[in-house]
Amino acid sequence: DTGVSQNPRHKITKRGQNVTFRCDPISEHNRLYWYRQTLGQGPEFLTYFQNEAQLEKSRLLSDRFSAERPKGSFSTLEIQRTEQGDSAMYLCASSPRGLGTGEQFFGPGTRLTVL
Amino acid sequence: AQTVTQSQPEMSVQEAETVTLSCTYDTSESDYYLFWYKQPPSRQMILVIRQEAYKQQNATENRFSVNFQKAAKSFSLKISDSQLGDAAMYFCAYRAGRDDKIIFGKGTRLHILP
Repeated sequence: DTGVSQNPRHKITKRGQNVTFRCDPISEHNRLYWYRQTLGQGPEFLTYFQNEAQLEKSRLLSDRFSAERPKGSFSTLEIQRTEQGDSAMYLCASSPRGLGTGEQFFGPGTRLTVL
Repeated sequence: AQTVTQSQPEMSVQEAETVTLSCTYDTSESDYYLFWYKQPPSRQMILVIRQEAYKQQNATENRFSVNFQKAAKSFSLKISDSQLGDAAMYFCAYRAGRDDKIIFGKGTRLHILP
Protein backbone atom coordinates (compact mmCIF):
# COMPACT_ATOMS: atom_id res chain seq x y z
CA ASP A 1 0.00 0.00 0.00
CA THR A 2 1.47 3.34 -1.01
CA GLY A 3 -0.86 5.60 1.03
CA VAL A 4 -0.10 7.60 4.15
CA SER A 5 -0.01 5.37 7.21
CA GLN A 6 -0.30 6.30 10.86
CA ASN A 7 0.35 4.34 14.03
CA PRO A 8 -1.19 3.66 16.38
CA ARG A 9 -4.75 4.07 15.14
CA HIS A 10 -6.05 4.48 18.68
CA LYS A 11 -4.36 5.54 21.89
CA ILE A 12 -5.87 5.75 25.34
CA THR A 13 -3.76 7.35 28.01
CA LYS A 14 -4.07 8.87 31.43
CA ARG A 15 -3.71 12.58 32.01
CA GLY A 16 -0.10 13.53 32.55
CA GLN A 17 1.39 10.74 30.46
CA ASN A 18 3.46 11.26 27.32
CA VAL A 19 2.36 9.86 23.98
CA THR A 20 4.03 9.58 20.59
CA PHE A 21 2.43 9.07 17.21
CA ARG A 22 4.08 8.07 13.97
CA CYS A 23 3.29 9.00 10.39
CA ASP A 24 4.75 7.42 7.26
CA PRO A 25 4.07 9.58 4.22
CA ILE A 26 3.71 8.49 0.63
CA SER A 27 7.13 7.69 -0.81
CA GLU A 28 8.76 10.61 -2.59
CA HIS A 29 6.46 13.14 -0.92
CA ASN A 30 8.75 15.75 0.56
CA ARG A 31 6.07 17.67 2.44
CA LEU A 32 4.43 16.29 5.56
CA TYR A 33 1.68 17.91 7.62
CA TRP A 34 0.06 17.34 10.99
CA TYR A 35 -3.52 18.38 11.72
CA ARG A 36 -5.77 17.99 14.74
CA GLN A 37 -9.48 17.27 14.44
CA THR A 38 -11.78 17.54 17.42
CA LEU A 39 -15.33 16.23 17.48
CA GLY A 40 -17.63 18.16 15.21
CA GLN A 41 -14.86 20.30 13.74
CA GLY A 42 -12.76 20.32 10.63
CA PRO A 43 -9.06 19.54 10.82
CA GLU A 44 -6.85 22.33 12.13
CA PHE A 45 -3.28 22.79 10.98
CA LEU A 46 -0.56 22.08 13.54
CA THR A 47 2.75 22.00 11.70
CA TYR A 48 4.48 20.99 8.50
CA PHE A 49 7.82 19.77 7.25
CA GLN A 50 9.61 20.13 3.97
CA ASN A 51 12.01 17.23 4.01
CA GLU A 52 13.49 17.27 7.52
CA ALA A 53 12.95 20.99 8.12
CA GLN A 54 9.99 22.08 10.21
CA LEU A 55 8.88 25.20 8.38
CA GLU A 56 5.75 26.32 10.15
CA LYS A 57 4.08 25.77 13.50
CA SER A 58 0.59 26.81 14.47
CA ARG A 59 -0.07 28.62 17.72
CA LEU A 60 -2.15 25.53 18.56
CA LEU A 61 1.12 23.68 18.97
CA SER A 62 1.90 24.42 22.60
CA ASP A 63 5.30 23.75 24.15
CA ARG A 64 4.02 20.33 25.24
CA PHE A 65 3.91 19.29 21.59
CA SER A 66 6.95 18.45 19.52
CA ALA A 67 7.25 17.04 16.04
CA GLU A 68 10.22 15.65 14.22
CA ARG A 69 10.98 14.27 10.81
CA PRO A 70 14.47 12.80 10.90
CA LYS A 71 16.03 12.23 7.49
CA GLY A 72 12.94 13.58 5.82
CA SER A 73 11.08 10.30 5.90
CA PHE A 74 8.62 9.37 8.65
CA SER A 75 7.52 11.87 11.28
CA THR A 76 6.66 11.64 14.96
CA LEU A 77 4.40 13.84 17.01
CA GLU A 78 4.93 13.74 20.76
CA ILE A 79 2.63 15.20 23.36
CA GLN A 80 4.07 15.56 26.84
CA ARG A 81 2.01 15.75 30.03
CA THR A 82 -1.22 15.07 28.20
CA GLU A 83 -4.37 16.92 29.19
CA GLN A 84 -8.01 15.98 28.60
CA GLY A 85 -8.21 18.79 26.06
CA ASP A 86 -5.67 16.96 23.92
CA SER A 87 -8.26 14.28 23.13
CA ALA A 88 -8.74 14.45 19.38
CA MET A 89 -7.98 12.78 16.07
CA TYR A 90 -4.46 13.57 14.90
CA LEU A 91 -4.18 13.49 11.13
CA CYS A 92 -1.07 13.31 9.03
CA ALA A 93 -0.94 14.28 5.37
CA SER A 94 1.72 14.47 2.71
CA SER A 95 2.16 16.16 -0.63
CA PRO A 96 4.72 15.87 -3.41
CA ARG A 97 7.64 18.11 -4.26
CA GLY A 98 6.49 21.56 -5.29
CA LEU A 99 3.08 22.93 -4.42
CA GLY A 100 1.67 21.35 -7.60
CA THR A 101 -2.07 20.94 -7.51
CA GLY A 102 -2.25 21.85 -3.86
CA GLU A 103 -3.73 18.54 -2.84
CA GLN A 104 -2.67 16.82 0.35
CA PHE A 105 -3.10 13.09 0.89
CA PHE A 106 -4.35 12.13 4.31
CA GLY A 107 -3.70 9.15 6.53
CA PRO A 108 -6.36 7.39 8.62
CA GLY A 109 -5.45 9.32 11.76
CA THR A 110 -4.61 8.46 15.35
CA ARG A 111 -7.47 8.89 17.79
CA LEU A 112 -6.21 9.99 21.19
CA THR A 113 -8.34 9.69 24.31
CA VAL A 114 -6.98 11.22 27.50
CA LEU A 115 -8.70 9.97 30.65
CA ALA B 1 -7.47 36.01 8.09
CA GLN B 2 -8.64 33.31 5.73
CA THR B 3 -11.77 31.47 6.78
CA VAL B 4 -14.03 28.77 5.39
CA THR B 5 -17.68 28.59 6.39
CA GLN B 6 -20.06 25.70 5.91
CA SER B 7 -23.50 26.72 7.12
CA GLN B 8 -25.16 23.30 6.85
CA PRO B 9 -24.10 20.99 9.69
CA GLU B 10 -26.23 18.13 8.32
CA MET B 11 -28.13 17.34 5.16
CA SER B 12 -30.15 14.41 3.89
CA VAL B 13 -30.97 13.34 0.38
CA GLN B 14 -32.87 10.46 -1.16
CA GLU B 15 -30.81 7.91 -3.02
CA ALA B 16 -30.53 8.81 -6.74
CA GLU B 17 -31.45 12.45 -6.08
CA THR B 18 -29.22 15.52 -6.32
CA VAL B 19 -27.91 17.48 -3.37
CA THR B 20 -25.90 20.70 -3.08
CA LEU B 21 -23.58 21.48 -0.20
CA SER B 22 -22.75 25.13 0.43
CA CYS B 23 -19.45 26.75 1.27
CA THR B 24 -18.22 30.32 1.48
CA TYR B 25 -14.71 31.51 2.12
CA ASP B 26 -12.89 34.72 2.82
CA THR B 27 -9.49 35.65 1.49
CA SER B 28 -7.59 38.60 0.11
CA GLU B 29 -5.37 36.34 -1.99
CA SER B 30 -5.78 36.10 -5.75
CA ASP B 31 -4.03 32.78 -6.15
CA TYR B 32 -5.58 29.90 -4.23
CA TYR B 33 -7.08 26.44 -4.40
CA LEU B 34 -10.41 25.21 -3.15
CA PHE B 35 -11.21 21.61 -2.30
CA TRP B 36 -13.98 19.35 -1.21
CA TYR B 37 -12.79 16.46 0.92
CA LYS B 38 -14.93 13.46 1.95
CA GLN B 39 -14.45 11.72 5.29
CA PRO B 40 -16.52 8.51 5.58
CA PRO B 41 -17.22 7.21 9.08
CA SER B 42 -14.03 5.78 10.60
CA ARG B 43 -12.21 6.07 7.29
CA GLN B 44 -9.62 8.44 5.99
CA MET B 45 -10.26 11.67 4.24
CA ILE B 46 -10.09 11.66 0.47
CA LEU B 47 -10.19 14.42 -2.09
CA VAL B 48 -13.46 14.67 -4.01
CA ILE B 49 -12.79 17.63 -6.25
CA ARG B 50 -10.39 20.54 -6.66
CA GLN B 51 -10.74 24.01 -8.16
CA GLU B 52 -7.93 26.42 -9.01
CA ALA B 53 -9.00 30.03 -8.49
CA TYR B 54 -7.60 31.19 -11.81
CA LYS B 55 -9.80 28.77 -13.74
CA GLN B 56 -13.19 30.11 -14.67
CA GLN B 57 -14.57 26.74 -15.65
CA ASN B 58 -16.21 24.82 -12.85
CA ALA B 59 -14.50 21.53 -11.98
CA THR B 60 -16.33 18.26 -12.57
CA GLU B 61 -15.49 14.72 -11.49
CA ASN B 62 -18.08 12.19 -12.61
CA ARG B 63 -21.16 12.76 -10.39
CA PHE B 64 -19.49 15.59 -8.49
CA SER B 65 -19.37 19.17 -9.71
CA VAL B 66 -18.79 22.56 -8.18
CA ASN B 67 -20.30 25.98 -8.63
CA PHE B 68 -17.39 28.36 -8.15
CA GLN B 69 -18.46 31.98 -7.80
CA LYS B 70 -15.20 33.85 -7.28
CA ALA B 71 -16.65 37.31 -6.77
CA ALA B 72 -19.11 36.01 -4.20
CA LYS B 73 -16.43 33.76 -2.65
CA SER B 74 -18.77 30.83 -2.88
CA PHE B 75 -17.84 27.23 -3.66
CA SER B 76 -20.72 24.76 -3.55
CA LEU B 77 -20.59 21.02 -4.26
CA LYS B 78 -23.29 19.27 -6.24
CA ILE B 79 -23.65 15.52 -5.99
CA SER B 80 -25.84 14.00 -8.69
CA ASP B 81 -27.46 10.55 -8.55
CA SER B 82 -26.62 10.20 -4.85
CA GLN B 83 -25.49 6.76 -3.75
CA LEU B 84 -25.39 5.12 -0.33
CA GLY B 85 -21.60 5.26 -0.46
CA ASP B 86 -21.74 9.04 -0.60
CA ALA B 87 -22.79 9.16 3.05
CA ALA B 88 -19.94 10.94 4.84
CA MET B 89 -18.70 14.16 6.33
CA TYR B 90 -17.82 16.64 3.61
CA PHE B 91 -15.29 19.37 4.24
CA CYS B 92 -14.81 22.45 2.15
CA ALA B 93 -11.20 23.58 2.25
CA TYR B 94 -8.94 26.39 1.07
CA ARG B 95 -5.24 26.76 0.44
CA ALA B 96 -3.48 29.93 -0.61
CA GLY B 97 -1.16 29.45 -3.58
CA ARG B 98 1.86 30.69 -1.66
CA ASP B 99 1.03 28.72 1.46
CA ASP B 100 1.15 25.07 2.43
CA LYS B 101 -1.47 24.64 5.08
CA ILE B 102 -5.09 23.87 4.25
CA ILE B 103 -7.89 25.63 6.09
CA PHE B 104 -11.01 23.53 6.56
CA GLY B 105 -14.63 24.36 7.24
CA LYS B 106 -16.50 22.62 10.04
CA GLY B 107 -18.02 20.12 7.68
CA THR B 108 -21.45 18.98 6.52
CA ARG B 109 -22.65 15.52 7.43
CA LEU B 110 -24.50 14.03 4.48
CA HIS B 111 -27.04 11.27 5.00
CA ILE B 112 -28.31 9.21 2.07
CA LEU B 113 -31.84 7.89 2.52
CA PRO B 114 -32.59 4.58 0.77
